[in-house]
Amino acid sequence: AQTVTQSQPEMSVQEAETVTLSCTYDTSESDYYLFWYKQPPSRQMILVIRQEAYKQQNATENRFSVNFQKAAKSFSLKISDSQLGDAAMYFCATVYSGGGADGLTFGKGTHLIIQP
Amino acid sequence: NAGVTQTPKFQVLKTGQSMTLQCAQDMNHEYMSWYRQDPGMGLRLIHYSVGAGITDQGEVPNGYNVSRSTTEDFPLRLLSAAPSQTSVYFCASRREPGGYTFGSGTRLTVV
Repeated sequence: AQTVTQSQPEMSVQEAETVTLSCTYDTSESDYYLFWYKQPPSRQMILVIRQEAYKQQNATENRFSVNFQKAAKSFSLKISDSQLGDAAMYFCATVYSGGGADGLTFGKGTHLIIQP
Repeated sequence: NAGVTQTPKFQVLKTGQSMTLQCAQDMNHEYMSWYRQDPGMGLRLIHYSVGAGITDQGEVPNGYNVSRSTTEDFPLRLLSAAPSQTSVYFCASRREPGGYTFGSGTRLTVV
């Protein structure tokens, strides 16, 4: 079984500043993906960034980057130059990438507030 | 537009009623899954399917049934709704593990 822990129920950051959201996970699998999803009030699940566990290089997508520490089972999300549109719930998730089963395991989420 | 379509978007049920939440995808994805989202709990896996005719239970399957007769459709059935099933339900599909597509969700209230 996999578990995902997000220890920050809520974070607040000034517009244009940088913020880091924390995520730790536990899995017995060697092949897996890690994700960060954004959920605005519209409740749509939006993929922010993903990382394959076998890749050592940290994934980046424009202003979003991750710090993937495989041995520590840590997967934090850094948002640079925060914008008002970044305000949302952020969920960390993982999935086994082998065959035969499916389903993401999510953390409980971090509510990100952007102060103008 | 290609994607995952969930119907209805909102539903109110009385305790004991039955209903089916519909999920359809037009991307020929083999893998489909259902989740529920409760306040403060994140999304939790209810059931999943790895192909037509193949389904299995997730973390919180009690009170829900699924079937997968076609690649496109993966309905979720509530046989006898309970107030504890009040939640937002999401359907998702994928081909490869890194490429999930989510539906827009169904908000279900059981009174």
